[in-house]
Amino acid sequence: DAKTTQPPSMDCAEGRAANLPCNHSTISGNEYVYWYRQIHSQGPQYIIHGLKNNETNEMASLIITEDRKSSTLILPHATLRDTAVYYCIVRVADGANSKLTFGKGITLSVRP
Amino acid sequence: KAGVTQTPRYLIKTRGQQVTLSCSPISGHRSVSWYQQTPGQGLQFLFEYFSETQRNKGNFPGRFSGRQFSNSRSEMNVSTLELGDSALYLCASSWRGQGIDNEQFFGPGTRLTVL
Repeated sequence: DAKTTQPPSMDCAEGRAANLPCNHSTISGNEYVYWYRQIHSQGPQYIIHGLKNNETNEMASLIITEDRKSSTLILPHATLRDTAVYYCIVRVADGANSKLTFGKGITLSVRP
Repeated sequence: KAGVTQTPRYLIKTRGQQVTLSCSPISGHRSVSWYQQTPGQGLQFLFEYFSETQRNKGNFPGRFSGRQFSNSRSEMNVSTLELGDSALYLCASSWRGQGIDNEQFFGPGTRLTVL
C-alpha cells in the first residue's frame, strides 16, 4: 500500500470548515483513498473513501486532486466532538488483502 | 444492530503469563481483523480471519495467535507476555474484508497492561 503524509496537527474553530490534507504521491491506479478517525480512547471510525471522483456523505467530503497525488477531507461544520486523530490510508480495495496500514495521522483540535 | 464488542475491556497481567482476548463482530460480518496500538508504533495490523481461516498476517512474533469460530467470533492469544505487549488491542469486523465498499467497523478495544 502507498505511503501517506499528513501534517501532525491542526486546529479550527467550532462551526467552521476543517480541511485536512493528505499527500499520497506514490498512489497506484487501483488504490483508493480512505479516511478513518479515532476519538480518544475509542476504536477508529470509518469516514469516507474514494478513487478519483469527489465524494460526499453525511459526515464529510473527500476532494481528490486530478493527478490523485493528494486529497483533502472536509468537515463542513466542525464541532467539538470532531476533535480526534484523522488517518488517511491508501489501499487496494480489491484482492485478498484487507489490511489497513495506519500512519501517524493528523490530530484535529476543534476550539470553542 | 449491535456494534463490535470486545471483552474484557481492561486487563492486567504479569510478564510470562498468557492472555486471551475476545471479539464478537457485527452480525453477518465474516471477517475479523486484529490490530495493536501503542504510543510508539501506532496502529499495527496483527492478522485477519475470514470464515475460520487466517487470511492475512502482520509482522508479529509467533507468540501472537488467533482463531475464529463458526459464528465468526474471534479470539487472539498472546503467550509469554512481555512488557512491550502493553497496548490497546483493537478488533475490526467487515462483511468480507475486501472489496471496494467494505468498510471496517472497530470495537472499543481491550487495554492490556503487562507488569
